[in-house]
Amino acid sequence: EPEVTQTPSHQVTQMGQEVILRCVPISNHLYFYWYRQILGQKVEFLVSFYNNEISEKSEIFDDQFSVERPDGSNFTLKIRSTKLEDSAMYFCASSPDIYQPQHFGDGTRLSIL
Amino acid sequence: DQQVKQNSPSLSVQEGRISILNCDYTNSMFDYFLWYKKYPAEGPTFLISISSIKDKNEDGRFTVFLNKSAKHLSLHIVPSQPGDSAVYFCAATNTNAGKSTFGDGTTLTVKP
Repeated sequence: EPEVTQTPSHQVTQMGQEVILRCVPISNHLYFYWYRQILGQKVEFLVSFYNNEISEKSEIFDDQFSVERPDGSNFTLKIRSTKLEDSAMYFCASSPDIYQPQHFGDGTRLSIL
Repeated sequence: DQQVKQNSPSLSVQEGRISILNCDYTNSMFDYFLWYKKYPAEGPTFLISISSIKDKNEDGRFTVFLNKSAKHLSLHIVPSQPGDSAVYFCAATNTNAGKSTFGDGTTLTVKP
């Protein structure tokens, strides 16, 4: 069964540095999403992406964050000037359309030191 | 403003019995609802969904019920199995906005 894959599984970065989290969605899916889960807290929506543009973003997704689909397969989340509170699990998801369930990757654990 | 709430952080049931997980929402713009299961160190895995035009959807041991007037949905697992032990999240989607909101999760433990 096709899967959403995320790399790296664990990223350790110094505070203030930029980090790029990578995702390969399922190939025939059209909608892409990023979520985060701070340790012990709920899964929080960050952004949805369709037709090469952001379709919805949460209040968490400020100017520090950006997403890109640089080619036909990858979907990236860039975090600039990372802060300690950016430490979390970041999940990528994709779906064939908005009325279909989202398929999640196993996440990237981001640790900011 | 927590738009999706799972009021029970944990639930423990005996193997073979019914597990009932509950979820309440406040936003009437939500029109598509899903339940996900999550194991540690893995991403959420889709279980079952229901559109707002239905009040019940069944898939094997899993049934989701939607009460739109009460803004309440529930997941029934019958019979419960030890392998069902995981964290269960409900998610509510506003398909016009392309945004899903998750509840806090309920940790289900099924005892042999």
